[in-house]
Amino acid sequence: EPEVTQTPSHQVTQMGQEVILRCVPISNHLYFYWYRQILGQKVEFLVSFYNNEISEKSEIFDDQFSVERPDGSNFTLKIRSTKLEDSAMYFCASREGPREAFFGQGTRLTVV
Amino acid sequence: RKEVEQDPGPFNVPEGATVAFNCTYSNSASQSFFWYRQDCRKEPKLLMSVYSSGNEDGRFTAQLNRASQYISLLIRDSKLSDSATYLCVVSGFQKLVFGTGTRLLVSP
Repeated sequence: EPEVTQTPSHQVTQMGQEVILRCVPISNHLYFYWYRQILGQKVEFLVSFYNNEISEKSEIFDDQFSVERPDGSNFTLKIRSTKLEDSAMYFCASREGPREAFFGQGTRLTVV
Repeated sequence: RKEVEQDPGPFNVPEGATVAFNCTYSNSASQSFFWYRQDCRKEPKLLMSVYSSGNEDGRFTAQLNRASQYISLLIRDSKLSDSATYLCVVSGFQKLVFGTGTRLLVSP
């Protein structure tokens, strides 16, 4: 069964460092997403990506964040200068169309 | 008003009980509706899509009322393995919007 894969599963980084979270969406899917979930809180939308560009982003997705689809298969989220409050679980998701989305297992980001 | 509202619970029920969760959404232009299940520190996993005609999958029944902007999930004959957080998710063309989730604890 096709699945969304994310790497790494856990990343620890120092405040101010750049991190790149990687995702391989399901191959025939067209819509890609990043969400985050701070421990004990709700799943929050960060950004959606369609047709090689950002289609929507939330207030959380400020200039410190960027997304790329560098090679037609990977989908990355970069945080340029991490803050303590960026510590969260980051989920990548993909969907074929206006149907259910499938989520990766997540990357737990810990900023120290 | 929140985009998607759910009672956070927790709902504590004994095995075999029937439990119902409700959800309301604010955007009348929403097009797709889902219930996802999330276990502790895991990714959301699709439980079922929700249609206006209502749909059933084994012990799970979902209903959508577009006029009232209301979605429900009914779980019959609860199992210990049903303990999880149930996420109401509403979508337009682009993003999916999550409710806070309702925590269910099924006890022996």
